[in-house]
Amino acid sequence: GEDVEQSLFLSVREGDSSVINCTYTDSSSTYLYWYKQEPGAGLQLLTYIFSNMDMKQDQRLTVLLNKKDKHLSLRIADTQTGDSAIYFCAESRAAGNKLTFGGGTRVLVKP
Amino acid sequence: TAGITQAPTSQILAAGRSMTLRCTQDMRHNAMYWYRQDLGLGLRLIHYSNTAGTTGKGEVPDGYSVSRANTDDFPLTLASAVPSQTSVYFCASSSILGDSPLHFGNGTRLTVT
Repeated sequence: GEDVEQSLFLSVREGDSSVINCTYTDSSSTYLYWYKQEPGAGLQLLTYIFSNMDMKQDQRLTVLLNKKDKHLSLRIADTQTGDSAIYFCAESRAAGNKLTFGGGTRVLVKP
Repeated sequence: TAGITQAPTSQILAAGRSMTLRCTQDMRHNAMYWYRQDLGLGLRLIHYSNTAGTTGKGEVPDGYSVSRANTDDFPLTLASAVPSQTSVYFCASSSILGDSPLHFGNGTRLTVT
């Protein structure tokens, strides 16, 4: 079955860039997502990328996709304390289809 | 806009009791999902429904049942709760048209004692 892996924890200083990595196994993945979860809240969609794209940039967020290696990354430029949260990578085979999530990466931004 | 509403926000339930977690969306989304979130395991799909009147099993369906009588509501029922069902439950919805992502509710924290 599908499998999505992420590192558990990332610590970064305020103002630096953060890079969160994700690997997946399903070669049929069509959509790849990044969600953010703040304490006590649900998941908020940050950005997503189609599998036929290599990169997508949205303000401070840059998503890089290496389809050959099945590797996805999320770069947050100028990381702020409000970026402290758990970030989930997820994949699906079709739009609106059920998602498979990674275990989440907890990002801690230090002042 | 309300989006997705889940109720209750949290609940403590004795083992062996039954409970229904409620989920309502006002976006007229075709598809709805129930996930459970456990530390270190991310979110795992319990059940889903692609359209009113149909349901399907996800990754961890045992001990749970769902129904989809209409577009807006997707309740999740635990017929006889066990401690391993202690978790945070998230309902989500999406349109199956275009590139619509999942929208999540704020979750129900369930503790089974």
